[in-house]
Formats: sequence, structure tokens, C-alpha cells
Amino acid sequence: DIQMTQSPSSLSASVGDRVTITCRASQGIKDHLAWFQQKPGKAPKSLIYAASSLESGVPPRFSGSGYGTYFTLTISSLQPEDFATYFCQQYENYPPTFGQGTRLEMK
Amino acid sequence: VQVVESGGALVQPGGSLRLSCAISGFFFSDYYMDWVRQSPGKGLQWVARTRDKLHGYTTEYAASVKGRFTVSRDDPNNALYLQMTSLNSEDTARYFCVRSGPRGEIGTWNFDNWGQGTLVTVSS
Repeated sequence: DIQMTQSPSSLSASVGDRVTITCRASQGIKDHLAWFQQKPGKAPKSLIYAASSLESGVPPRFSGSGYGTYFTLTISSLQPEDFATYFCQQYENYPPTFGQGTRLEMK
Repeated sequence: VQVVESGGALVQPGGSLRLSCAISGFFFSDYYMDWVRQSPGKGLQWVARTRDKLHGYTTEYAASVKGRFTVSRDDPNNALYLQMTSLNSEDTARYFCVRSGPRGEIGTWNFDNWGQGTLVTVSS
């Protein structure tokens, strides 16, 4: 199975900050990488697919980049509603696998 | 798009359970459907997939559930199911029903809409 490793595991930031979360795959996955946001007690929400394609309705302050084994999710200016846990996930090979999550907390 | 799971319960080790997922708001037959589970200890874990009508409704399973779980779909009634047998404590999790749609590159499908999940607890 392809292992997905996110860093950091947790991050404290303030409204207006620019934050970047990284995700590394244990082998090359082209751009078959998605990012999800999850709030406590809620279902994950798709933010980005194909490494950099923004899901319909997702604010443009979210962006993704990367190819192969290294990927990033950037939030350009944090809003109060962005404090949540973020997961990366590969869909290059079966089984689809997820990172362990990055918890974004308010400083 | 609405995806609503049901059927989660407390079940004894070795027991069986069937989860259901009611679908609305999109043409069910055109989409792959997945089950993904989440537990505090193991994070998010993909469980099973059924492909769409065009791809023959073929299925895939995680190694940890293959032979014990069966995913099925009832397209005329817009429903997805997960039959789970020989349950053990490792299966304790919230189970999400997830739609998978085309994701850019032809032939590439991935999760795009998730239900709220249903909780399965395996304990004596």
C-alpha cells in the first residue's frame, strides 16, 4: 500500500495567516492526490482533486500543488471557518490511502 | 447531492450487520460508490467500492475486509449496501458512504461527496 505522510500533525495559526500543509507519498502517484477538510462530528469535505483542481464552491484562498511524491495545500489567508483537520489521499493505486491528518487550530 | 447512511449498531464479535445508504440528487447509475471508515486509532480507511453500470458494477475491497464484507447496490431504488460478517473489534468505526466521480484524467475516479456516517461498534 502507498503510505501518505502529512506534516505537521498539528498547527496553530491566526486569522489572516498563510499556512501550508505538506503531504508525501511513499511512491510516485502522478497528480492523483486529493485534499479533504473535516470538522468535528462532520463528514469530510472535498477541497481539491488532481493535486491542484479546486472543487466547485471551494474558496480560492485554498490551493494545491505538487506531482509525484510531494504535495502541498496552502490557505492564503485563514478565515475562522478554516480551523479544522485536513487530510490528503492518493487514488493512484488500490487501496486508496489517506494521510494521518493535520489539525489546524486557532492560536 | 444527498447521501444518508443507516444501520450502524452495537454488535458482538463474530456477528453480522448490514449498512444502508440512501442516495438522492444525482443519477446513481453513473457513479462509483465507496465505503470509507474512520476510527480514532486508524484514521480514515477505505473499505470497499462498487463501480458504475458502465463498468459492470465490479467491486474492490480492502485486504482487511475481503471475504467478510460485501458491497452491493440497488440502482432502481437508489441504495447502496455493505453487508458485514465475522465482525471484530478492529471493525469498530464510523462508516461513511461516499460517492466517487470522475476526477479530471479519463478513467480516474475519486471521492467527491460524503454522507454523515453511521457508527458501528463491535464489543461484547
